Amino acid sequence: GIQVEQSPPDLILQEGANSTLRCNFSDSVNNLQWFHQNPWGQLINLFYIPSGTKQNGRLSATTVATERYSLLYISSSQTTDSGVYFCAVERLKTSGSRLTFGEGTQLTVNP
Amino acid sequence: DVKVTQSSRYLVKRTGEKVFLECVQDMDHENMFWYRQDPGLGLRLIYFSYDVKMKEKGDIPEGYSVSREKKERFSLILESASTNQTSMYLCASSFSPVREQYFGPGTRLTVT
Repeated sequence: GIQVEQSPPDLILQEGANSTLRCNFSDSVNNLQWFHQNPWGQLINLFYIPSGTKQNGRLSATTVATERYSLLYISSSQTTDSGVYFCAVERLKTSGSRLTFGEGTQLTVNP
Repeated sequence: DVKVTQSSRYLVKRTGEKVFLECVQDMDHENMFWYRQDPGLGLRLIYFSYDVKMKEKGDIPEGYSVSREKKERFSLILESASTNQTSMYLCASSFSPVREQYFGPGTRLTVT
C-alpha cells in the first residue's frame, strides 16, 4: 500500500511564527487531504488538495503530485492552532480505495 | 455544510457486552467509514461501505461487524466487547471514492 510520511513529528512555536509541515507519499494519488485534530479528538477538514495550491485565511497548502509531496503552511500561528495535523492520501482502485494517514505532526504554539 | 454525527462522545461498557456505535450523515453520501485511533498506532480502518447493505473489511475488522440498512446511517457493532477495544472511534463519509472525507466528532469507548 501507499506509504505516507509526515515531518516534523513535533513542532513547537511561539505565537506569531510561521511554519511549514510536509507530507511525502510513495505513489500517485487521487485524493490528498489535510486535517487538524482538535483537543476533543475531532478531525477538522483543512484542505482537499490532490494537486495545486489553495489558501484559507492564514493556512495554505500546495501539492506537487509529480514529486509526491504536499506542504501545509501556517502563518502568524495562534495558540488555537495547537494540535495534531494529519495528511491522508487515497489512490483510486476498482474496489476498496481508502484513505491512508500519516502519523501526524504535533504542533504546540506557546503564547 | 456536511454534518456527520455519532451517537455518543463518551461510552463506558463492560467486557462481554454488545456495543452499538451509530453514525449518521446528512449529505446523501454514498460512502461511509469506521476508523479507530490509538496512541502510537494512528488511524486504522475497520470497515467501510459504498452502498446500502454493502460492506467491506478494512485493515482491522476482527471483533467488529457493521450494518448499513439506510444510506445515511452506518453502525459499528462490537459483538462481545473486550478491553483491547478501548479506543477512540471515528466515523467518516464521502460522496464517492477519492472525494473529500468528512469526520464525525468521535466516540471515546472504554471497556472495563
